[in-house]
Amino acid sequence: SAVISQKPSRDICQRGTSLTIQCQVDSQVTMMFWYRQQPGQSLTLIATANQGSEATYESGFVIDKFPISRPNLTFSTLTVSNMSPEDSSIYLCSAVTGGYEQYFGPGTRLTVT
Amino acid sequence: TQLLEQSPQFLSIQEGENLTVYCNSSSVFSSLQWYRQEPGEGPVLLVTVVTGGEVKKLKRLTFQFGDARKDSSLHITAAQPGDTGLYLCAGYTGTASKLTFGTGTRLQVTL
Repeated sequence: SAVISQKPSRDICQRGTSLTIQCQVDSQVTMMFWYRQQPGQSLTLIATANQGSEATYESGFVIDKFPISRPNLTFSTLTVSNMSPEDSSIYLCSAVTGGYEQYFGPGTRLTVT
Repeated sequence: TQLLEQSPQFLSIQEGENLTVYCNSSSVFSSLQWYRQEPGEGPVLLVTVVTGGEVKKLKRLTFQFGDARKDSSLHITAAQPGDTGLYLCAGYTGTASKLTFGTGTRLQVTL
């Protein structure tokens, strides 16, 4: 298994600004992912964070809006750029340790005013 | 396009009742996972099923993977308030390393 922490846990930001969310895993993992979730709803995959190379984005998500870094096997960041109220959501990172099982961080609740 | 449909979307029951949540797809999954998520937390993995027809039990929870690996069910016996949460199924298709999540079932268990 893996224990995942995220910072910040929540934030309120003004439109037009950017927020960087950090994700730390307590062990080296093969894959890391970033998701978005509206409260009470299912998860939407934003991108796969690749170690040492550019992230792989899903349809509807672009690097300019959601730049991602993954400098090593235990850490990743997601930046939400030029925010608008539509970006208000919960952002979750997850990690796969080597098998099928994916573990999630507690999430970052973002409110854009 | 959401590949995994869950039903019901919302379920409110009293303590002690039984319930079943369904997860259906037209796609074949190499494995399927069930998660429970409580408010303010990330999803927590409950079980992984891999083999068609597989049944796994976790205390009062019984998980079944369909023979054709296109569907799954979660049965809870004698529900308790602690079972309250959002239940999500999620599956891997083929050799893809990305999970596809279901639409979610919100369960509320009251005293």
